[in-house]
Amino acid sequence: GQNIDQPTEMTATEGAIVQINCTYQTSGFNGLFWYQQHAGEAPTFLSYNVLDGLEEKGRFSSFLSRSKGYSYLLLKELQMKDSASYLCAVRDEMNYGGATNKLIFGTGTLLAVQP
Amino acid sequence: EAGVVQSPRYKIIEKKQPVAFWCNPISGHNTLYWYRQNLGQGPELLIRYENEEAVDDSQLPKDRFSAERLKGVDSTLKIQPAELGDSAVYLCASSLYLAGTDTQYFGPGTRLTVL
Repeated sequence: GQNIDQPTEMTATEGAIVQINCTYQTSGFNGLFWYQQHAGEAPTFLSYNVLDGLEEKGRFSSFLSRSKGYSYLLLKELQMKDSASYLCAVRDEMNYGGATNKLIFGTGTLLAVQP
Repeated sequence: EAGVVQSPRYKIIEKKQPVAFWCNPISGHNTLYWYRQNLGQGPELLIRYENEEAVDDSQLPKDRFSAERLKGVDSTLKIQPAELGDSAVYLCASSLYLAGTDTQYFGPGTRLTVL
């Protein structure tokens, strides 16, 4: 079966660092995505990991361990505007020679940044 | 570059009525997706198009839902008749397979309320 687990809610303080974890069990694996979604808005792409290790992009970093079925999103120097839902999504299919792209989403982690 | 465009943004209808949603993907993106997102949940794929061809519609409730993507660009998703449980946000996304990956970019969604 397909299963992606994230904490439902997290709270952090402005200026701090927060780590949002994601564990997954899927029939296949071909990459993991993190999206940010503000209330009432579209999910926006944050990061993509397909190989083990850390990908850094400004204040946001994402880590992947395929052997453990585990990823985390690290947000540094938190700002009030980072208050949003963070969605972990796994791409679980691969069709050689063409697009793959069936994303299985977790339920999202609602992050509240407090002053 | 313009993002994914969807209309309408909001729709309120009574049950048993028909409703249609429209999506214009990012220019040049050959893959188009329709997702449904219930409150507090991650998006769930309804249908995926590669150009004009629906390549994954396994999660589309075909008794009442239909979709089309004429000419491989714009797409419409229709529900007829709508049921109370169809209340959700309907998201459209598009992607282009390039250099081994195909990040999906989402539109703002249509929030459907069925009374």
